[in-house]
Amino acid sequence: DAKTTQPNSMESNEEEPVHLPCNHSTISGTDYIHWYRQLPSQGPEYVIHGLTSNVNNRMASLAIAEDRKSSTLILHRATLRDAAVYYCILRRAGSARQLTFGSGTQLTVLP
Amino acid sequence: NAGVMQNPRHLVRRRGQEARLRCSPMKGHSHVYWYRQLPEEGLKFMVYLQKENIIDESGMPKERFSAEFPKEGPSILRIQQVVRGDSAAYFCASSPGLGGERQETQYFGPGTRLLVL
Repeated sequence: DAKTTQPNSMESNEEEPVHLPCNHSTISGTDYIHWYRQLPSQGPEYVIHGLTSNVNNRMASLAIAEDRKSSTLILHRATLRDAAVYYCILRRAGSARQLTFGSGTQLTVLP
Repeated sequence: NAGVMQNPRHLVRRRGQEARLRCSPMKGHSHVYWYRQLPEEGLKFMVYLQKENIIDESGMPKERFSAEFPKEGPSILRIQQVVRGDSAAYFCASSPGLGGERQETQYFGPGTRLLVL
């Protein structure tokens, strides 16, 4: 699977939007973009995924650049419970099923 | 619908002992994955199993580690003759196994934290 690059850490104020970037310049046409997060002392949790179009669900929105070389996870109103490590993962359609985690972005939410 | 269950949540072993970690996937899920997270490191894939079959064990250490997912009962990750370097959090995930090109979500358990003294 292609490599992703994320900032090591970000800070946000509570109840403000958060934009978490991910670069994936070597993405292929069949790579899906997945986001998972890991809260302290817990297992990872699925957040959202997409291929080309922007996606929304109850947790977040995913904005995918037109050339697909980057994407942004958007938390519309950060809460203290959103403090976690956020992982951007590429998964090729039809490839091995396991997830390849990078180092992710540690999000700190300030009250 | 209960989520992925792992037990024990914490396990302490002395060097040379065996560790058995259990994972019960979500109801209806036939695919199980094991990941390991060493202290201050990211999650690393270990093994991917379907009922009674190991599909991909490319992330498993060649010695002392084994995994199974029997027809009945939980998936077991077994570590023989544990060493201090095995101390880590071990996470299990499951997915439905719908087949084809679908991008299945993986649902993770709370993990087992193994400490080797």
